[in-house]
Amino acid sequence: GDSVTQTEGLVTLTEGLPVMLNCTYQTIYSNPFLFWYVQHLNESPRLLLKSFTDNKRTEHQGFHATLHKSSSSFHLQKSSAQLSDSALYYCALMGYKLTFGTGTSLLVDP
Amino acid sequence: DPKIIQKPKYLVAVTGSEKILICEQYLGHNAMYWYRQSAKKPLEFMFSYSYQKLMDNQTASSRFQPQSSKKNHLDLQITALKPDDSATYFCASSQDVGGMDEQYFGPGTRLTVL
Repeated sequence: GDSVTQTEGLVTLTEGLPVMLNCTYQTIYSNPFLFWYVQHLNESPRLLLKSFTDNKRTEHQGFHATLHKSSSSFHLQKSSAQLSDSALYYCALMGYKLTFGTGTSLLVDP
Repeated sequence: DPKIIQKPKYLVAVTGSEKILICEQYLGHNAMYWYRQSAKKPLEFMFSYSYQKLMDNQTASSRFQPQSSKKNHLDLQITALKPDDSATYFCASSQDVGGMDEQYFGPGTRLTVL
């Protein structure tokens, strides 16, 4: 079945440094849809960005990700972390259903 | 105005009892879902419904029963509650099941089973 792997459970970095959260996936579908959801403390998850186009950069709210089907990856990046970016980030794959990864907690320190 | 309403926001129950979690969406969506999130596990898919029909069930236990009286309602009945059922239950909806449709999540119901 479909699966999503987020290798980092917790990422801690200093404000102003670049962010990269890893996401790889497995699916039998040749045209999967990939998503990043963000969940701030005591809030519900909300969509951050999504893509289904191979090798095309998708951007939203300062974050960006590029779907690479050759490596089955959809890493989330940001050039400069802000304190308000501290949250739980889920990578998700739509094959025949939406499958979430285990999530990465991002903690940005001043 | 909130587009997805979940009631109650907090719920405390005793082991062995039965509770119903309410979810209503006012986004005009055709698909609705239930997810569970606990400290032990991350966001966990439970059920998906499309046009009031069950599409997918990833919950092993029959103690969890979704109920859809209207297209924009998807309640979750939980029977014989156990302490391990303690979690935040999120209802979500999307225009249709599958594809690039964004799922919108409700505020959640935090269930504590004593």
